[in-house]
Amino acid sequence: DAKTTQPTSMDCAEGRAANLPCNHSTISGNEYVYWYRQIHSQGPQYIIHGLKNNETNEMASLIITEDRKSSTLILPHATLRDTAVYYCIVRVRFQGAQKLVFGQGTRLTINP
Amino acid sequence: GAGVSQSPRYKVAKRGQDVALRCDPISGHVSLFWYQQALGQGPEFLTYFQNEAQLDKSGLPSDRFFAERPEGSVSTLKIQRTQQEDSAVYLCASSPRRTGDYEQYFGPGTRLTVT
Repeated sequence: DAKTTQPTSMDCAEGRAANLPCNHSTISGNEYVYWYRQIHSQGPQYIIHGLKNNETNEMASLIITEDRKSSTLILPHATLRDTAVYYCIVRVRFQGAQKLVFGQGTRLTINP
Repeated sequence: GAGVSQSPRYKVAKRGQDVALRCDPISGHVSLFWYQQALGQGPEFLTYFQNEAQLDKSGLPSDRFFAERPEGSVSTLKIQRTQQEDSAVYLCASSPRRTGDYEQYFGPGTRLTVT
């Protein structure tokens, strides 16, 4: 699986959009970008995933650059409950059971 | 509906003791994963089951670690002769399909402290 690079930490004001970047310059054509987050003392939680098109769900939006070498997770109106560690993971789909390979993630703090 | 549950939530063991950690996946989920998370680090894969078959145990750090899922539902991770370096949060995740390309649903974890 391709390696990812994320900032160690970020801060965002409550109510503003939080934009979390991820670099994955060695991503292969069949690898998807997944985002999970982990709130303190909880297990990781799936947020969103995408291949090359931008994706949106009830939690977030995922913007993937045209060359697919980087992506941004957007939380449109951050709340205090969005404070968590956010993990960007790239992995192949449809190729047997796929363990998740987590990096260090980005510790996002939402400030009141 | 009920999510993935794990028990106990906290376990303190003296070095050398054996421990058993339990995972109850979401009912009907075929795939089950165990991960180990050291303090300040991301989770690391330990092992994977598809129903009762253990298809990947490449992440188990030593032969002191053993996992089973005999009836394809509940799973137990056993650690024999615990060492201080085994102190971590042990996370269980389940997924509804064999291929695991659906999202994984994680339990709250068991925090193991070896003294």
